[in-house]
Formats: sequence, C-alpha cells, structure tokens
Amino acid sequence: AQTVTQSQPEMSVQEAETVTLSCTYDTSESDYYLFWYKQPPSRQMILVIRQEAYKQQNATENRFSVNFQKAAKSFSLKISDSQLGDAAMYFCAYRPLSGTYKYIFGTGTRLKVLA
Amino acid sequence: ETGVTQTPRHLVMGMTNKKSLKCEQHLGHNAMYWYKQSAKKPLELMFVYNFKEQTENNSVPSRFSPECPNSSHLFLHLHTLQPEDSALYLCASSQDRPLGANVLTFGAGSRLTVL
Repeated sequence: AQTVTQSQPEMSVQEAETVTLSCTYDTSESDYYLFWYKQPPSRQMILVIRQEAYKQQNATENRFSVNFQKAAKSFSLKISDSQLGDAAMYFCAYRPLSGTYKYIFGTGTRLKVLA
Repeated sequence: ETGVTQTPRHLVMGMTNKKSLKCEQHLGHNAMYWYKQSAKKPLELMFVYNFKEQTENNSVPSRFSPECPNSSHLFLHLHTLQPEDSALYLCASSQDRPLGANVLTFGAGSRLTVL
C-alpha cells in the first residue's frame, strides 16, 4: 500500500533562518507526483510546490525548494529566509500518475516561526 | 468570487439534526472532492465527482450523502451523525487531465461539531 510519512509533528525556526521538513513515502509505482501543501490558521490549503517523479531536477519556488531522492523515496521541503507568514501546517502528498484521484497525504508538520 | 468557497465555516449540530455543507468552485474545474480532516490523521478522501458523476466513494457511512447538481456545486448532506464525525470537512476541485498533475485547489473548510 502507498503511504506517506511525516515524522516531525512540530518544528520551530527562527525568522530569516532555514528549515527543512521531512517526508518519506512508499510506493511500487515508477511515475508519480509529489506535493507540499501549506495550511495556515485560515485553514485553506495552498499548494507550495510540486515535483514530477520523472524529473531529476529538484523543484524550486522562490524561497521554497525540495530535495527529491527517488531511490530513497524521500521528499523534503526546505524553506529559506523563513518569515512569520510561513507559520502553518505543512502536508506532504503523493499521487500516482495513473490514479487521478488517489492522493495520499501525510499527517502534517506544524511549523512555528519565532520572531 | 474566485477559487473554492465553502459554507458554513462553522456548524454545530445534534445527533438527530439534518444539515448540509455547501461547496462552490469558480475555476471551471471538472472534478470536485470532499475530504475529512481530523487531528493527527492524514486527510481522508470521502467522495469524488467528475463531470457531476460520482467516481469515488471511500466506504463512507450512509449518514453522509453527497450531491453534485453541476460541475460547480457540491453538497454534503448530514443526518444522524455521531460525535466522532466532528472534524474539518474540506472541499477541493481540480481540472482532471489524463496523466496530468491535477493539482487540488481547496476551500477553507467547514468545521463541524456534533453534540
């Protein structure tokens, strides 16, 4: 069965510093998508970044970047120059290429940003 | 309005009540979803509609009844709920393309409390 594991229930980072959130997944598929979603206190989940498994290059969106290790089935999110607005729950998600609706989410990591 | 809108934001109901959650998307997407979010658990997919047709029903109890009158609107009818059904109910939409990323766009959720 496909699973997504986020082993850090909570993380803290000082404002302007860098933090890395971990995510591992298990699948026998070779083609799939990986996502990081952010859920701020307003509750609306927002896509932060996505990665196609067939792409070797790590995805980057401004201060957000991923370290995608396909062989290790690891997909960590790095947030650089952390800002107070980055405080939120972060969810890692997996979707196989062939399973249109089969998103698998992790349990989330709560990120606190300290001023 | 743009995006995915959910009403009500908060709902308190007794176990014998009947209520409905509403979701509306203004993105022209062809797929809509209901997810249940409980603390410290991964998001649970409940129902998926594609072009108004239900394509997924993840063994959800019959006390939850979905309705999708058109591609823009999705309802979740609730009756004789249990206290363990208290959770955040998230609606999402996506543009379903074969082998596409089909990124989910979420609403802000309806916080349900069953007394």
